[in-house]
Amino acid sequence: EIVMTQSPATLSVSPGERATLSCRASQSVSSNLAWYQQKPGQAPRLLIYGASTRATGIPDRFTGSGSGTQFTLTISSLQSEDFAVYFCQQYNNWPLTFGGGTKVEIK
Amino acid sequence: QLQLQQSGPGLVKPSETLSLTCTVSGGSISSTSDYWGWLRQPPGKGLEWIGSLYYFASTYYNPSLKSRVTISADTSKNQFSLKLSSVTAADTAVYYCASGPTYFNWFDPWGQGTLVTVSS
Repeated sequence: EIVMTQSPATLSVSPGERATLSCRASQSVSSNLAWYQQKPGQAPRLLIYGASTRATGIPDRFTGSGSGTQFTLTISSLQSEDFAVYFCQQYNNWPLTFGGGTKVEIK
Repeated sequence: QLQLQQSGPGLVKPSETLSLTCTVSGGSISSTSDYWGWLRQPPGKGLEWIGSLYYFASTYYNPSLKSRVTISADTSKNQFSLKLSSVTAADTAVYYCASGPTYFNWFDPWGQGTLVTVSS
């Protein structure tokens, strides 16, 4: 099983600032990585797939990068609606696995 | 636009079987371009993939749950379902159904989620 590790667990950021979230895979997942955003009481929402392709309707302030074992999600200028928990997911190997999440909170 | 609506009980007794259904609208459960999956999230914790159904036939399950899980489809109702047997308190979680494009195992869209509590 591929273990996905996200860091940091919590990120405190002021509105308008940049946020950088990391996701590391225990072995290569090529570019088969997705990012999700989850707000309290809601289902996760797909942000990025293929490591860097934004899903339909996702603002361009969200940027995914990386390949192999190291991935990054960058939110260029945090808006109030971006404060949430973010998960990465690999879909290169069975079983599909998720990282533990990064909570982006208001500083 | 594909939409998923979950249904099923929110309380299950220990040792019994958890059963949830996901009704698909805006698309067909028989489609070869989509797959259907179940995931769960214990309160305050991360996401766990349970299993996925492809081409209305092939299924893939998380090895950690495989002995207790069945995912199946009902084309007449355009639904797919999850059964998890012999549940314990450790199975208490929000359960989600979700979909994605065949050959790519990301999840979009998701159902609204169902909190299932295992308790006597």
